[in-house]
Amino acid sequence: QQPVQSPQAVILREGEDAVINCSSSKALYSVHWYRQKHGEAPVFLMILLKGGEQKGHEKISASFNEKKQQSSLYLTASQLSYSGTYFCGTEWAGGTSYGKLTFGQGTILTVHP
Amino acid sequence: DSGVTQTPKHLITATGQRVTLRCSPRSGDLSVYWYQQSLDQGLQFLIQYYNGEERAKGNILERFSAQQFPDLHSELNLSSLELGDSALYFCASSVSGLAARGDTQYFGPGTRLTVL
Repeated sequence: QQPVQSPQAVILREGEDAVINCSSSKALYSVHWYRQKHGEAPVFLMILLKGGEQKGHEKISASFNEKKQQSSLYLTASQLSYSGTYFCGTEWAGGTSYGKLTFGQGTILTVHP
Repeated sequence: DSGVTQTPKHLITATGQRVTLRCSPRSGDLSVYWYQQSLDQGLQFLIQYYNGEERAKGNILERFSAQQFPDLHSELNLSSLELGDSALYFCASSVSGLAARGDTQYFGPGTRLTVL
């Protein structure tokens, strides 16, 4: 089942902050965050693993609430380069997923000067 | 640049035809994943290979098949193409041990397929 992202779109001025949420109805092993610019490849931002480990981008922070199966991506002091579509990809905790990611529908972030 | 390469960048073909998309993973990565991205379906996992073996299957149509070769490059074959197959096809790779859980997947630039 596809995770649900909110909000669907965000418009910011440079320097403002934003939070993007990703919720799953299934127990998760990990949440992966990507940013994609139009027509380009998704670019890896961060992984949050069950148990609290995080791997990824130095300037972006995120959290993973295992009880709620929800992850949040925090974008602070936004820059023009932050514009794009943000996707969360979730990895199911059960069975043998072998890294299969199920992606949310995306959150479009637009940063204006 | 993620280090994952895909060819061709664009492909335009007619309904009923067959095409092959190629992917070379990052040096040292053993796992290759294929994803399809369309406007109505979003980014969808198709199939994963690890060191030449199929590991996981997603929403991949029977008309689609893939393989990973001994040099670790992978090909996605799409046959009997329909208009609805028009999409961006991405390949991703990860270092991955057998479990592949929690591995970072690095995406290639994609192949844009247009079926007319």
